[in-house]
Amino acid sequence: EPEVTQTPSHQVTQMGQEVILRCVPISNHLYFYWYRQILGQKVEFLVSFYNNEISEKSEIFDDQFSVERPDGSNFTLKIRSTKLEDSAMYFCASSGTSINYGYTFGSGTRLTVV
Amino acid sequence: QKEVEQNSGPLSVPEGAIASLNCTYSDRGSQSFFWYRQYSGKSPELIMSIYSNGDKEDGRFTAQLNKASQYVSLLIRDSQPSDSATYLCAVNRVMDSSYKLIFGSGTRLLVRP
Repeated sequence: EPEVTQTPSHQVTQMGQEVILRCVPISNHLYFYWYRQILGQKVEFLVSFYNNEISEKSEIFDDQFSVERPDGSNFTLKIRSTKLEDSAMYFCASSGTSINYGYTFGSGTRLTVV
Repeated sequence: QKEVEQNSGPLSVPEGAIASLNCTYSDRGSQSFFWYRQYSGKSPELIMSIYSNGDKEDGRFTAQLNKASQYVSLLIRDSQPSDSATYLCAVNRVMDSSYKLIFGSGTRLLVRP
């Protein structure tokens, strides 16, 4: 079964450093997403991406965040200057062309900011 | 008002029983609804989707949708200890040409052997 691949599985970084989280969505999917889940809290929407541009972003997705699809397969989330409160699981997801499709989630990157 | 509301639980049921999980949503324009299962430290895993009013069955799982009441439920028959997880209700919100899944905070299910 096709899957969404995320790397790394765990990243530890110092406050103020830049991190890039990487994702390879399912190859024939057109919509891409990043979600975040702080430990013990709900899965929160960060950003959606379609046709090489951001479709929608949440209040969490401020100027410190950016997304990019640098080639035909990768989808990245960059956090420019990490804060302690950025520590969370970050999930990449992708979906096909219909709104009736659920999203397929990657296994996540656990980001720890120290 | 939260967009997607779930009782946080835990819901504790004995092995073999029926577990009933409920969810309400606020956006009447929502068209598609999903149940995800999430084990601790893992990513959400899609288990059911439903789009029309009524019931949809898949193995031991039955999803129920009532758009008039803005209510979605998930029944798990013959519950097993391996079903112990957090169940996330998600609603696909469409705005202009943008789609996004909005999640509830999840209901933790414990199945006692």
